Amino acid sequence: EPEVTQTPSHQVTQMGQEVILRCVPISNHLYFYWYRQILGQKVEFLVSFYNNEISEKSEIFDDQFSVERPDGSNFTLKIRSTKLEDSAMYFCASTWVSGNTIYFGEGSWLTVV
Amino acid sequence: AQTVTQSQPEMSVQEAETVTLSCTYDTSESDYYLFWYKQPPSRQMILVIRQEAYKQQNATENRFSVNFQKAAKSFSLKISDSQLGDAAMYFCAYRLDDKIIFGKGTRLHILP
Repeated sequence: EPEVTQTPSHQVTQMGQEVILRCVPISNHLYFYWYRQILGQKVEFLVSFYNNEISEKSEIFDDQFSVERPDGSNFTLKIRSTKLEDSAMYFCASTWVSGNTIYFGEGSWLTVV
Repeated sequence: AQTVTQSQPEMSVQEAETVTLSCTYDTSESDYYLFWYKQPPSRQMILVIRQEAYKQQNATENRFSVNFQKAAKSFSLKISDSQLGDAAMYFCAYRLDDKIIFGKGTRLHILP
């Protein structure tokens, strides 16, 4: 069964460093998402991406965050200057059409020290 | 604003018994989607069941079924014949357009 795959599964980074989280969505999907889950809290929407541009973003997704789909298969989330409070599990997700089931990857656990 | 409320932070059920997890949501829309996701200790998000708001029939997926009450904005999950592998965090979620909004989750313990 097709899966959303994410790398790395776990990354530890120093505060202030840049981090790139990578995702390979399911191949025929057109809508892509990033969510995050701070330990012990609920899953929060960050951003949605369609047709090579951001379609919606939350207030969490400020200027330190960016997304891109550089090569038609990978979908990346960049955090420019990480803060301690960015420590969380980051989930990539994708779906074929808007309104259809969203499939999640296994998550990338980011620890900022 | 759309919100999703899960009023039970934790629940326990005896193995082989039935348990119902509650979820209410708030929306002014008429066409939307509702989901239950399971998050085991591995923290992966696994889709359990999905319901389209325009469908009156409650969704069923093997041992999992929902009680969807659109007028009451209620979407509860029933797990029948609970198994040890059902132990996880369960998130109720609402989808409108490009965004899914999750509840805070209910941690389900299965007692052997």
